[in-house]
Amino acid sequence: DMKVTQMPRYLIKRMGENVLLECGQDMSHETMYWYRQDPGLGLQLIYISYDVDSNSEGDIPKGYRVSRKKREHFSLILDSAKTNQTSVYFCASSSADWGGANGQNTLYFGAGTRLSVL
Amino acid sequence: AQKVTQTQTSISVVEKTTVTMDCVYETRDSSYFLFWYKQTASGEIVFLIRQDSYKKENATVGHYSLNFQKPKSSIGLIITATQIEDSAVYFCAMRDFNYNVLYFGSGTKLTVEP
Repeated sequence: DMKVTQMPRYLIKRMGENVLLECGQDMSHETMYWYRQDPGLGLQLIYISYDVDSNSEGDIPKGYRVSRKKREHFSLILDSAKTNQTSVYFCASSSADWGGANGQNTLYFGAGTRLSVL
Repeated sequence: AQKVTQTQTSISVVEKTTVTMDCVYETRDSSYFLFWYKQTASGEIVFLIRQDSYKKENATVGHYSLNFQKPKSSIGLIITATQIEDSAVYFCAMRDFNYNVLYFGSGTKLTVEP
């Protein structure tokens, strides 16, 4: 069953607390992503991971870090969360050749985590 | 720099009519891939249709089709015979040939009314 699972689905934290968002996939995909979605801005890439311990910053990495110790698992960490990190966070995964002429058509997205930082 | 632009923030149509959603993009690559996604009310993001830049024929899947105008860097989504359940937010997205990342537009909210 091809699935990307995000935990938790909803999270409320206070400013300054640490936050851990977790993502798992069962497709043995090499590449995984963290996006955040804010009203009027679409989805913005935070980090991309090409495989275990091979991570790169996306467009908005400030205030975030990631960890990928197993291919099927990708974590997003907010050290000392800020109120402007209130958002919906999406994890996604793909094969290395996705979107190309012979690859899979798409990224596979999780259901999202709604994070509120008070 | 923003790579994908959707200027229509919301559209409202009557059921069974046709709607077109606009999208323009920027890229330096000669080859790239364009996608449309639908985000349902529950937040689920669903892949709809794609267009490869080197293909001249517009892609069609079910009641979704694309209007690809490469000289204008434009990829419009056309939904024919709209249904109530087509109400959702639609995102245009692009992947450059050499970079394994999907860039999204800001989305267009479609409301289909009876």
